[in-house]
Amino acid sequence: SQTIHQWPATLVQPVGSPLSLECTVEGTSNPNLYWYRQAAGRGLQLLFYSVGIGQISSEVPQNLSASRPQDRQFILSSKKLLLSDSGFYLCAWERANTEAFFGQGTRLTVV
Amino acid sequence: QKEVEQNSGPLSVPEGAIASLNCTYSDRGSQSFFWYRQYSGKSPELIMFIYSNGDKEDGRFTAQLNKASQYVSLLIRDSQPSDSATYLCAVNRSNYQLIWGAGTKLIIKP
Repeated sequence: SQTIHQWPATLVQPVGSPLSLECTVEGTSNPNLYWYRQAAGRGLQLLFYSVGIGQISSEVPQNLSASRPQDRQFILSSKKLLLSDSGFYLCAWERANTEAFFGQGTRLTVV
Repeated sequence: QKEVEQNSGPLSVPEGAIASLNCTYSDRGSQSFFWYRQYSGKSPELIMFIYSNGDKEDGRFTAQLNKASQYVSLLIRDSQPSDSATYLCAVNRSNYQLIWGAGTKLIIKP
């Protein structure tokens, strides 16, 4: 069966510090991978998606970036965090353009 | 106009009653429709999906799709306090990308 791992679960980072969130998928190959952000009480905002190694599409221009160094690995990064980057970050993989499955999420608080 | 719209709620329903959640979408080429449940502080989990017009039932949950009117709904029968959560509607656009509604917060009152 397919599983998705995302870590860390919670993170508190000072303004201006770097960020690296990692997501890996098991049990499937060549998945479509997504990074979402969810502000408190709000819906899911798509940040990046990837249909293959090295292929990244950005939905929202900002100080975040994403990379896909391996087929089942998706990384979200920032060189300098802003207060507005606080939120709940979710990695997801999508099966054959159908439903999406989510990792546990990372609660990021920038202080 | 948002591509996928949901009433943010909260929707308050007495325990044992039917909860009705609605979602409208703008892309007539949409093919697949999904309902996710999200408990506070947790990631969304898939409840149901529906591809064809009409009703689809799974236990206490029924998804209803009307492509002509561009809406999809979720009915929860015999509502339980454990059903209290935010329900997200997602629509697979004609280019296959999932588009999400902002979610409806459902509160089941004992």
